[in-house]
Amino acid sequence: RKEVEQDPGPFNVPEGATVAFNCTYSNSASQSFFWYRQDCRKEPKLLMSVYSSGNEDGRFTAQLNRASQYISLLIRDSKLSDSATYLCVVDKAAGNKLTFGGGTRVLVKP
Amino acid sequence: EAQVTQNPRYLITVTGKKLTVTCSQNMNHEYMSWYRQDPGLGLRQIYYSMNVEVTDKGDVPEGYKVSRKEKRNFPLILESPSPNQTSLYFCASSSYIQPYEQYFGPGTRLTVT
Repeated sequence: RKEVEQDPGPFNVPEGATVAFNCTYSNSASQSFFWYRQDCRKEPKLLMSVYSSGNEDGRFTAQLNRASQYISLLIRDSKLSDSATYLCVVDKAAGNKLTFGGGTRVLVKP
Repeated sequence: EAQVTQNPRYLITVTGKKLTVTCSQNMNHEYMSWYRQDPGLGLRQIYYSMNVEVTDKGDVPEGYKVSRKEKRNFPLILESPSPNQTSLYFCASSSYIQPYEQYFGPGTRLTVT
């Protein structure tokens, strides 16, 4: 079993719709969780950190469920520019043992 | 401008010819790392460094070497490249202050024939 697993997609989303997807992790000792965005073979960029209480940043909402060992990302009112691959990242040791999921591809269409 | 730079961006080489990919950051970050990204396998960590002269293996270190003689630089060395090292390579840096955001370089696309 992979340490961090994601549905690779693609999720085809009509513009303006809501899309949500999850990421599961296997190491219960994981400390920090992140969502990164990667555009077409470019460098990944931090989208948001994921906190225990859940957090929101504009149209993006992230949730953490430690009991079931998954994190989720919800995108509301999808824009064409949201088309990208979203990488789930789990950190076992305060910033220096990151494990990346394979990514979930999202395609927003007019 | 805060950034991580990598050179070269593209490289085609032959099996066995030693090469070095440079990585430099201007953010005074303590932590630096190298990843490779392959289709279906995602990003995998090769080596990381927590500070000058402190390096450690990641998940896929075989065939690679690194050094950290200066805080800003973290070169990746392939002593004898092989075709299975054909990949997209990213260097990243971060500080030890939350949220531990990793800043990635633009990537180096390496082809070994």
